[in-house]
Amino acid sequence: QSALTQPASVSGSPGQSITISCTGTSSDVGNYNYVSWYQQHPGKAPKLMLYDVSDRPSGVSDRFSGSKSGNTASLTISGLQAEDEADYYCCSYTTSSTLVFGGGTKLTVL
Amino acid sequence: QVQLVQSGADVKKPGSSVKVSCQASGGTFGSHAINWVRQAPGQGLEWMARIIPILGIPKYSQKFQGRVTLTADTSTNTAYMDLSSLTSEDTAVYYCARGPARGEWFDPWGQGTLVTVSS
Repeated sequence: QSALTQPASVSGSPGQSITISCTGTSSDVGNYNYVSWYQQHPGKAPKLMLYDVSDRPSGVSDRFSGSKSGNTASLTISGLQAEDEADYYCCSYTTSSTLVFGGGTKLTVL
Repeated sequence: QVQLVQSGADVKKPGSSVKVSCQASGGTFGSHAINWVRQAPGQGLEWMARIIPILGIPKYSQKFQGRVTLTADTSTNTAYMDLSSLTSEDTAVYYCARGPARGEWFDPWGQGTLVTVSS
């Protein structure tokens, strides 16, 4: 199972919006609405930000939103804040009943 | 609010095995799955396997099949990940994370356990 494809890095200024893409195949992203997104700050454990493509766990800001079209899922962060600077990973359930992560995207808030 | 508490850092010789534990604090595993995810230094996340403790049924990534064994003790709410035939490429932080039975997402995560493989 190959890793999902994410851009290595994205950047934006405070207050702006950014979108991180996550491209898979018809065996994972394209076949299920089971895409999740994780935020990871340096030296910390990942934190669930979105699940089932666009659902937010309790406590996660509504500045984080998700969508999916075909084999590509997207995470959008609006109203960028300094604290959003982190690594972001997508993850999808697969037809093999396994999970696969994206390579990760480093978000820089300028 | 369930927290997952993992065992401490470990240093192993190449060819040996390591066993990492993950205990639920403040709750039980219930009908959830416990997943294991690793992260090599400076690298991304990699899903390894999951187990549903109440059923004892594991599911392994093809990459780790035959080298990883998951077990769970529901009486102590502790899950274990045993990785054998270690090489330097297994040096990583190993996380446990709870999720739905099918394992579609992970929340919460343990604090991570650094396993260093070195001669």
